[in-house]
Amino acid sequence: QQQVKQSPQSLIVQKGGISIINCAYENTAFDYFPWYQQFPGKGPALLIAIRPDVSEKKEGRFTISFNKSAKQFSLHIMDSQPGDSATYFCAASKDDYKLSFGAGTTVTVRA
Amino acid sequence: ETGVTQSPTHLIKTRGQQVTLRCSSQSGHNTVSWYQQALGQGPQFIFQYYREEENGRGNFPPRFSGLQFPNYSSELNVNALELDDSALYLCASSWVGSGANVLTFGAGSRLTVL
Repeated sequence: QQQVKQSPQSLIVQKGGISIINCAYENTAFDYFPWYQQFPGKGPALLIAIRPDVSEKKEGRFTISFNKSAKQFSLHIMDSQPGDSATYFCAASKDDYKLSFGAGTTVTVRA
Repeated sequence: ETGVTQSPTHLIKTRGQQVTLRCSSQSGHNTVSWYQQALGQGPQFIFQYYREEENGRGNFPPRFSGLQFPNYSSELNVNALELDDSALYLCASSWVGSGANVLTFGAGSRLTVL
């Protein structure tokens, strides 16, 4: 049973555009929501994370929006660059333990 | 500061065989987690080790087992390999008590079962 559902499976965006990836979860006990970025041949790397006590967190061009009542959260990549082309995974955990990952979104930024 | 290193990077086994994958944690980390990532999927939690003891397991059968050593390095053992075990196996280390389970992943070991 997949605890975190992620969409879209893939997206293509022009350089300078905005990429938006959405995730939904069922377990209301989840209290930590990170996003990971993975390049081919590499392991996932933590990009940005949020706790449910805030509705938005921004780090540079990356923003997480969190809607606790809807049990949804999303990643926005502003001013997308070709170097952002990668696979992005949302995840969730309870008590900082055992991350449940979404299926991933492959982002392609066209120059 | 060294990151998480895994070996081997690639290996091919046949059904029924056994495999051991190795992981060296990032310096200063005391917890190791193992994840299985099937092609085109997100990583799935296998188990976590803390203080050389298994500290939680995902939905994986007992033929998946592990060890954590005093230097915090770790092994993942899989017995009686099945075709569906073909995947990228990721090791991740973290520091318990950091306030968040910030995992540092290695590049993985790609296992192909024929």
